Amino acid sequence: NAGVTQTPKFRVLKTGQSMTLLCAQDMNHEYMYWYRQDPGMGLRLIHYSVGEGTTAKGEVPDGYNVSRLKKQNFLLGLESAAPSQTSVYFCASSYQRGLTEAFFGQGTRLTVV
Amino acid sequence: DAKTTQPPSMDCAEGRAANLPCNHSTISGNEYVYWYRQIHSQGPQYIIHGLKNNETNEMASLIITEDRKSSTLILPHATLRDTAVYYCIVRVNFGNEKLTFGTGTRLTIIP
Repeated sequence: NAGVTQTPKFRVLKTGQSMTLLCAQDMNHEYMYWYRQDPGMGLRLIHYSVGEGTTAKGEVPDGYNVSRLKKQNFLLGLESAAPSQTSVYFCASSYQRGLTEAFFGQGTRLTVV
Repeated sequence: DAKTTQPPSMDCAEGRAANLPCNHSTISGNEYVYWYRQIHSQGPQYIIHGLKNNETNEMASLIITEDRKSSTLILPHATLRDTAVYYCIVRVNFGNEKLTFGTGTRLTIIP
């Protein structure tokens, strides 16, 4: 049982490049989330999904897009990376309304130069 | 979701009980109190949650005041592995998909 798996774990991008971060969960959870965490700060919600085919904006959605084509996968895209998007990105999932806990991946450390 | 206030840092001696406070004076009747922690740079880990009754599980106890305006997370016998940032989160349970983190309390367990 892998839980929540994020790919890749590390990445360096040049300004203007694009990339996609993949989050996969094997717990059949309905809800999935993408967060970013900057040094010394708490987590900030970027986008989330309440089920396959749905997405919604969080606190800091600008510059990111997401897709949830399959229930087990939640993709986070950066179309044109900027240095301000240098951060650690965490994916999480939880299993239905009335959730009791969210499970987090181990993070993706992204540097934009 | 109601706002929470936590001290930025705390120390606790190994083997002692660690008591982490959280203020949530604007909490509404249908909002739960959740606690998560983040060890070093790992993903956050769920600890416990409650509505108004005190709760206990294998990791910790949660004490919520009668007026629900504050709560305390208790780690009964702190170990070095409990060194982490602890987040107190207040949120509606049903129909709320968001889980929004603040800056938390950095707990350091001292040998």
